[in-house]
Amino acid sequence: DAKTTQPPSMDCAEGRAANLPCNHSTISGNEYVYWYRQIHSQGPQYIIHGLKNNETNEMASLIITEDRKSSTLILPHATLRDTAVYYCIVPKNRKLIWGLGTSLAVNP
Amino acid sequence: AAGVIQSPRHLIKEKRETATLKCYPIPRHDTVYWYQQGPGQDPQFLISFYEKMQSDKGSIPDRFSAQQFSDYHSELNMSSLELGDSALYFCASSLGRTSEQYFGPGTRLTVT
Repeated sequence: DAKTTQPPSMDCAEGRAANLPCNHSTISGNEYVYWYRQIHSQGPQYIIHGLKNNETNEMASLIITEDRKSSTLILPHATLRDTAVYYCIVPKNRKLIWGLGTSLAVNP
Repeated sequence: AAGVIQSPRHLIKEKRETATLKCYPIPRHDTVYWYQQGPGQDPQFLISFYEKMQSDKGSIPDRFSAQQFSDYHSELNMSSLELGDSALYFCASSLGRTSEQYFGPGTRLTVT
């Protein structure tokens, strides 16, 4: 299994970029990296996913290292509403296996 | 845009009772997933359906069953409820069997 490792918590000032790291050193060549977030007690929200190229959408950017052993989710201008637990997931047979995630606190 | 709908949003049951949770996927989505999230825990995958057939099975107890109907909505049936079944139950849907899943707001089940 491609397990992921994330820091348990991070802080970010409102308006600044939030850079959330994830290690997935055992990822296989055809496995994607997915990012979700969960605002307290709400349904998880899909953010972005990628294989080896960097990806960007309206929510965030995903930077994947060349060796694919780690990635960084970037929220370019964090707002208070981005306070949530962020999960980096490498799905196993399409199943989302949720780890501990990073609890991001965006401070005013 | 239409999202995943779950009903009811809150449910209170007593031990040994039964409960049925419903999930209405995003229109045209053909795959439904069920997750259980206990207090202070991460979501745990229970079961999924693709084109009305069971696709994958996770940590779903034998007391629970689920199905997907011809209109693609899904129901999770829970019998002989236990206190430990108290949790948030999320349904997610996707177009095809993919890990890009869209979640509903959840049903909070409380077993007393």
